[in-house]
Parts: sequence; C-alpha cells; structure tokens
Amino acid sequence: EVQLVQSGAEVKKPGESLKISCKSSGFDFATSWIGWVRQMPGKGLEWMGFVFPGDSDTRYSPSFQGQVTISADKSMNTAYLQWTRLKASDTAMYYCARRLGPGDPFDYWGQGTQVTVSS
Amino acid sequence: SYELTQPPSVSVSPGQTASITCSGDKLGDTYVSWYQQKSGQSPVVVIYQDNKRPSGIPERFSGSNSGNTATLTISGTPAMDEADYYCQAWDNNVAVFGGGTKLTVL
Repeated sequence: EVQLVQSGAEVKKPGESLKISCKSSGFDFATSWIGWVRQMPGKGLEWMGFVFPGDSDTRYSPSFQGQVTISADKSMNTAYLQWTRLKASDTAMYYCARRLGPGDPFDYWGQGTQVTVSS
Repeated sequence: SYELTQPPSVSVSPGQTASITCSGDKLGDTYVSWYQQKSGQSPVVVIYQDNKRPSGIPERFSGSNSGNTATLTISGTPAMDEADYYCQAWDNNVAVFGGGTKLTVL
C-alpha cells in the first residue's frame, strides 16, 4: 500500500528554523518525484517544488525558489521541506505528494503538516 | 508565469450535471489533472491526463481538454461531491494549480 506519512504539527516563532518530513512506503521512492504543496488558511493549492530522490534532482516554483529547501534521503525513504528563517506568512498547511513521471498527476498525498508561525 | 483560471464557485442541484472549467493559454497542448478536496482532507486526484479516471473514482467524473479550456464534468451529482476542485497543469516542468472552484450541491 502506497503511503506518505508526514510529521506532526509545528508551532514556531518568526526567525526560527524548521524541517518537516514526509516518510514514504509501498513504492520505489528513488524513482518517483515527491512534491510539496502549500495551502494557506482558506486559500488554494500552491506547488512549491519537488525532488527526485534517486539523484536528488530538485525543481522549485519561481515563487518559492530561495525561500525553502527541498531534499530527500533515499536510505530513509523520506523527503523534507526546510526553512532557515520562518515568517508569519509561512503559516499554512503543507502537503507532500507523489508524482511518477512526466504527464502524471500527484496521485498520492500525505495527510498534511500544519505549520503555525506566531510571536 | 503561467496561470490557470477557474470560477470561484459553481452550484448544482442533486442529481444534475455540474461542469467546472479551467482556462489557460494553449491549455489543450498539455495534460490537465483535477483534484477534489473535501473540508479538512487532503486532495484526491479524480481526473488525470485530461480524461482518465484513477481506480476507485466513480464513472460520474469525466474530463475534457481542448484549445484554452479544460472541463471537469460530474454527472448525476450527489451531495457527497460537495467540495473544492482544482485543476492542475505543467508549464516547463513547473506545476501550476488553478485557484479552485467551490462546488455546492443544493
């Protein structure tokens, strides 16, 4: 069974760093693309970027380039989304999702990680 | 940057057909996926590659894509299909989501 299990909710202060995770099972992690999607409160889905764990190839949306770091550890079947200095505007639900290849959809999604940034 | 435009809301009576559009420049030249997101849940893909249904998605969901417009059609819409729906396409290996459409069944 394909599963993407994300780390738990986080409450942080502005300026703090954070790394959330997405642990995968039930498929070949190294040959799939794992993407991250942001959903701000009451808003729509925004694609942030994705990583190909097999060779750590990473692509970012222009809107998020330089704002976050996406990575993966194929020995742990886990993808990560990282911030060095959080802002209040980073408060959102973050989803990881799998894509198999070009033309394919995001066919499996994690349960989401709520990140709240507040002083 | 590439943009996909959806109507913010669509209403349909139970048992009737709902159509949700997604517009973008030359959208018909790329594959479109549609996602359903119910309140408090993760998105679920209901249509991919314009008109294919994943395993487990009811036949009442169908899709089309031509020119500048893709359309998600839900036939005989039951109340359980009330949700937000998002289209998604690829632009130079960058994923783009539409702004979402809230489907109300009443």
